[in-house]
Amino acid sequence: TQLLEQSPQFLSIQEGENLTVYCNSSSVFSSLQWYRQEPGEGPVLLVTVVTGGEVKKLKRLTFQFGDARKDSSLHITAAQTGDTGLYLCAGGRRALTFGSGTRLQVQP
Amino acid sequence: GAVVSQHPSRVICKSGTSVKIECRSLDFQATTMFWYRQFPKQSLMLMATSNEGSKATYEQGVEKDKFLINHASLTLSTLTVTSAHPEDSSFYICSAKARLVAHDTQYFGPGTRLTVL
Repeated sequence: TQLLEQSPQFLSIQEGENLTVYCNSSSVFSSLQWYRQEPGEGPVLLVTVVTGGEVKKLKRLTFQFGDARKDSSLHITAAQTGDTGLYLCAGGRRALTFGSGTRLQVQP
Repeated sequence: GAVVSQHPSRVICKSGTSVKIECRSLDFQATTMFWYRQFPKQSLMLMATSNEGSKATYEQGVEKDKFLINHASLTLSTLTVTSAHPEDSSFYICSAKARLVAHDTQYFGPGTRLTVL
């Protein structure tokens, strides 16, 4: 079973601050996805990273896939209140295994 | 982008009744659909994998006779919670994998909140 551990589990910051969320595994993944989920809604795909060492940017969000494809990180620059939500990494060949999630609260 | 819908979005039922939840891929054909369950403040847990025209594959610990899955077409999968009990109350989310999409990307429905009284 491929397990994904996310850290931190919870993060409360002020608007304008930067933050990084980590997703780690002892297994190699062919790809990893990052999702954001808001209360009462399904996860929304943010990005898929495929190549080891790959860096993808989505406005203020920067996603990196580790060289060995066992870990990934999400960095948010100048967080906004609209970034509040549950961030999930996920990977798997067929069915997705989800990380434990990082709950981000951005205070105005 | 690919859109997945779920119906109903919320359902409240009495203990002992059965509830059916539909998952549809609206603008693409889904070779495989997945059903997840999410308890409050927890991550998503895979319940079963559903392939069109064949039996679903259930994860360990998920009772196949209690959670009936039917995948009758490339755009529709249903999950029926039979003889529901309060401990089945949860947020049920489906996802669909598009036939022509590379890698392991799945598109998620908006979820169904089930409350069993």
